[in-house]
Amino acid sequence: QSALTQPPSASGSPGQSVIISCTGTSSDVGAYSHVSWYQQHAGKAPKLIIYEVTKRPSGVPDRFSGSKSGNTASLTVSGLQADDEADYHCSSYAGNNNYVFGTGTKVTVL
Amino acid sequence: QVQLQESGPGRVKPSETLSLTCTIYDASIRGFFWSWIRQPAGKGLEWIGRIYPSGTTNYSPSFQSRVTMSVDTSKNQFSMKLTSVTAADTASYYCAISQRGAFDIWGQGAMVTVSS
Repeated sequence: QSALTQPPSASGSPGQSVIISCTGTSSDVGAYSHVSWYQQHAGKAPKLIIYEVTKRPSGVPDRFSGSKSGNTASLTVSGLQADDEADYHCSSYAGNNNYVFGTGTKVTVL
Repeated sequence: QVQLQESGPGRVKPSETLSLTCTIYDASIRGFFWSWIRQPAGKGLEWIGRIYPSGTTNYSPSFQSRVTMSVDTSKNQFSMKLTSVTAADTASYYCAISQRGAFDIWGQGAMVTVSS
């Protein structure tokens, strides 16, 4: 199956918001609520920041929020901080005990 | 806090088999799905598959023909073998706990280079 489509890059100044899209199909993002987002700093392992479309694990700031409309999920990072500069990856359950990841988005804090 | 640690050879020759093991610390392997995920340098993540402590496995169609996962509950470990590797299999390989349709906790990753 194909990877979910994310923009290669996004940027914003400190304090601003950035929105990252994750576009799939009616067989993955559009069909299930198991959409998750991961933050990955350079040289580090990914870290879960959103699961089940909108939920945040304990310890993740509420500046991170998720949503979904149709076949597209979105991650919003509000009040951008320097430490938010990282790669962000989405993932979705794709049915038949299969998962698919997005192409990844590099966020730059200007 | 649960910790995962991948281990295995850092270099594998083309056409040979890549073998990795993930050791789980401060948690029991029982009761969760455990996944393998890889990331070629500078690229996105790819889900390889998962295993349940009972031995039940689910593999990505992209790897179905080449991957085998196993579990050793006595050692709190699970493993992966990927056969017939090529340079395209050069990547960082991560193990992760799977629950709630997401990958909650990840190992630090093991870099594997396929080269003669």
